[in-house]
Amino acid sequence: DTAVSQTPKYLVTQMGNDKSIKCEQNLGHDTMYWYKQDSKKFLKIMFSYNNKELIINETVPNRFSPKSPDKAHLNLHINSLELGDSAVYFCASSQGGEGATQYFGPGTRLLVL
Amino acid sequence: RKEVEQDPGPFNVPEGATVAFNCTYSNSASQSFFWYRQDCRKEPKLLMSVYSSGNEDGRFTAQLNRASQYISLLIRDSKLSDSATYLCVSLSGGSYIPTFGRGTSLIVHP
Repeated sequence: DTAVSQTPKYLVTQMGNDKSIKCEQNLGHDTMYWYKQDSKKFLKIMFSYNNKELIINETVPNRFSPKSPDKAHLNLHINSLELGDSAVYFCASSQGGEGATQYFGPGTRLLVL
Repeated sequence: RKEVEQDPGPFNVPEGATVAFNCTYSNSASQSFFWYRQDCRKEPKLLMSVYSSGNEDGRFTAQLNRASQYISLLIRDSKLSDSATYLCVSLSGGSYIPTFGRGTSLIVHP
């Protein structure tokens, strides 16, 4: 019973390509997030969707675009991949509000060559 | 920039030791605080929330000091399985924006 799932688990691709990472949660949560964890292990939030509305958009290049077809899914599309995009990308969900616990997916390890 | 700061460590302790981590936050509007645990090559998982009055869960005790803007995590009787990175998280009032610290690495050795 996977609560938050991501696909693919590993992604190796060439610079300049476009790729997508999918995320699904079966917890009925109303808020989903995308995080990037770089080689220094720093976990930075990229996006958040609440009730299908983008409520956070940190200083992320516009090559990154989140897409939420419904409340249970938040996909991450990346255009024109660069070497610096190599990282682990985590999807997470929460019920929202203060004190909300975040449930993370297993992560997608992206390597751009 | 509002940040959450942690000593990255690593803290290298023997089994059975007591170890404490501190975390400072700069956003005075932060209302909720958490400790997450992240094992190597795994996702972060909630360890415990941090309440103003302090809270305990088995060998783990979390404290919040709003005046000095820091939270702490105390681990008693360390086990080998406690080896992981511990992430401090704050959440601003009325916001869905969690801020993670860089994490503190703990290594418990026999």
